[in-house]
Amino acid sequence: QKEVEQDPGPLSVPEGAIVSLNCTYSNSAFQYFMWYRQYSRKGPELLMYTYSSGNKEDGRFTAQVDKSSKYISLFIRDSQPSDSATYLCAMSAGNAGNMLTFGGGTRLMVKP
Amino acid sequence: DVKVTQSSRYLVKRTGEKVFLECVQDMDHENMFWYRQDPGLGLRLIYFSYDVKMKEKGDIPEGYSVSREKKERFSLILESASTNQTSMYLCASSPGLVSYNEQFFGPGTRLTVL
Repeated sequence: QKEVEQDPGPLSVPEGAIVSLNCTYSNSAFQYFMWYRQYSRKGPELLMYTYSSGNKEDGRFTAQVDKSSKYISLFIRDSQPSDSATYLCAMSAGNAGNMLTFGGGTRLMVKP
Repeated sequence: DVKVTQSSRYLVKRTGEKVFLECVQDMDHENMFWYRQDPGLGLRLIYFSYDVKMKEKGDIPEGYSVSREKKERFSLILESASTNQTSMYLCASSPGLVSYNEQFFGPGTRLTVL
């Protein structure tokens, strides 16, 4: 079993839909939770970052962490074609050297 | 603007060749990382370095080595390339030894080994 599990998709939604992307993990030491967005032929870039449990909102994006269930989510409201990308969750225990453990990524397609 | 550059976007090599992938960051970051990305497997850490001339093995170091002679440059070396090393290679950097820091990624090198 992988340490971080993520549905690979692809997930196809119409423009304007609410998108829910999820990851589950097994390592209870993880404290830092991130979502990276990766456009085709580009490197990943940080989209959202959350420490411990709770919600964080940034514009159309909301990140949720439920440490008791070892489950994290990213919600995208009013999805746009420009949101079409692969979304990678990543986690860290906060150890020296800042190691991240990544999920496999979910490919999202938002159709006009 | 933060920048991580990689020497090649696309590379085609033959089995048994020695391959060098170069990464340069201009942010004065202490930490640098090499990952490979394969469909369904996400990013897997090959090696990382938290200081000049320092290196640590990641999750999948077999068949790879690294070099960090200067703070801004981190090289990944495939001593004898094999077909199972065909992949997307991503370099990243982050500042300091603190609990969390964002990793900044380069655009990636797509390596094909024939």
